[in-house]
Amino acid sequence: SAVISQKPSRDICQRGTSLTIQCQVDSQVTMMFWYRQQPGQSLTLIATANQGSEATYESGFVIDKFPISRPNLTFSTLTVSNLSPEDSSIYLCSAGDSGDSYEQYFGPGTRLTVT
Amino acid sequence: AQSVAQPEDQVNVAEGNPLTVKCTYSVSGNPYLFWYVQYPNRGLQFLLKYITGDNLVKGSYGFEAEFNKSQTSFHLKKPSALVSDSALYFCAVGDSWGKLQFGAGTQVVVTP
Repeated sequence: SAVISQKPSRDICQRGTSLTIQCQVDSQVTMMFWYRQQPGQSLTLIATANQGSEATYESGFVIDKFPISRPNLTFSTLTVSNLSPEDSSIYLCSAGDSGDSYEQYFGPGTRLTVT
Repeated sequence: AQSVAQPEDQVNVAEGNPLTVKCTYSVSGNPYLFWYVQYPNRGLQFLLKYITGDNLVKGSYGFEAEFNKSQTSFHLKKPSALVSDSALYFCAVGDSWGKLQFGAGTQVVVTP
């Protein structure tokens, strides 16, 4: 199984600023994803982080608001831009290999509070 | 389109009693089904999965799940619940690319 770390673990940001979240995997993986968990809610997929190409966004999420980078097979970043209180959520990174029976492993999450 | 439903917001069970957390799914094609658990202030932990094969899947921490194609269900079970099993449980359906769609979650409360 892959071990995933995220930085920062939590942050408090002011409205209008941006936060970049880092996701590091301890092994090379094919697939990396970013999810959002709003307070008291389930997880919603934001986008697939594609290595070497632009991320693929789910309906309701756009690149200008959630730019994503994936420079290699072990690392990805998610930026949440132009923050508003509605962006207060836990953001989770996941990773896995399609050849590993589709198991996805999750990082501990980044708890973002926007004031 | 695929979806997954967890009909119970919360399940209460006494320690030592059997625990069941319900999940139903809707997919076109073969389902990839998963159970995850989330403890307070911690990330998601993988419990078990069904991709193909035996309908009874055994996972971590003594949990198991039964895949029922005719009822489109994938209920999570544990024969004897522990207080430490109290957590938020998510059922999820995945596609061949690894993307997951989660149910709303079921809070499990195990009382001593």
